[in-house]
Amino acid sequence: GEDVEQSLFLSVREGDSSVINCTYTDSSSTYLYWYKQEPGAGLQLLTYIFSNMDMKQDQRLTVLLNKKDKHLSLRIADTQTGDSAIYFCAGWYSSASKIIFGSGTRLSIRP
Amino acid sequence: EAQVTQNPRYLITVTGKKLTVTCSQNMNHEYMSWYRQDPGLGLRQIYYSMNVEVTDKGDVPEGYKVSRKEKRNFPLILESPSPNQTSLYFCASSSTSGGGRNEQFFGPGTRLTVL
Repeated sequence: GEDVEQSLFLSVREGDSSVINCTYTDSSSTYLYWYKQEPGAGLQLLTYIFSNMDMKQDQRLTVLLNKKDKHLSLRIADTQTGDSAIYFCAGWYSSASKIIFGSGTRLSIRP
Repeated sequence: EAQVTQNPRYLITVTGKKLTVTCSQNMNHEYMSWYRQDPGLGLRQIYYSMNVEVTDKGDVPEGYKVSRKEKRNFPLILESPSPNQTSLYFCASSSTSGGGRNEQFFGPGTRLTVL
């Protein structure tokens, strides 16, 4: 069945780059997403990538997609305290007509 | 302002006492969905609705009911809550079934504790 996996925690120093990784099992996913959840709030779409793309850049965010290895990553350059949140990887599976979410990676920032 | 609202935001109840969590969106979205979020498990879909009077089970529907009588509202009903339904619940909506570039808009969440 479909599955999306992420590590649960990541700690980085302020100003460094953060890289959050995600693997998925179903190659039929057409869109892959990164959602951000700040404390006490719902999820907000951060960025997405279509499955025929390898990379997408949006200001401090870079999304890399390796379709062969079914691996997705989110790089946040110059990480700031405001980036502290839980980041969810998600994939749209047309075969099931639904979005599958990973377990979320909690990003914490050290001074 | 485009938004998804949920009420209540926090609820503590006892086993077996029926409750309803309301969800409303003002974006004229066809698709609405309920998720529960538990530590280490991410978001799991409970029920979803493609449009008015069209609902279907998600991955963890046991113990829950929903209805979609109006496009804007999608209440979640727990007929007889049990402690294993203690969780953080999110309602979400999107203009289609959520695929493609269409963004799912999430409510602020309802933290439910069942004693």
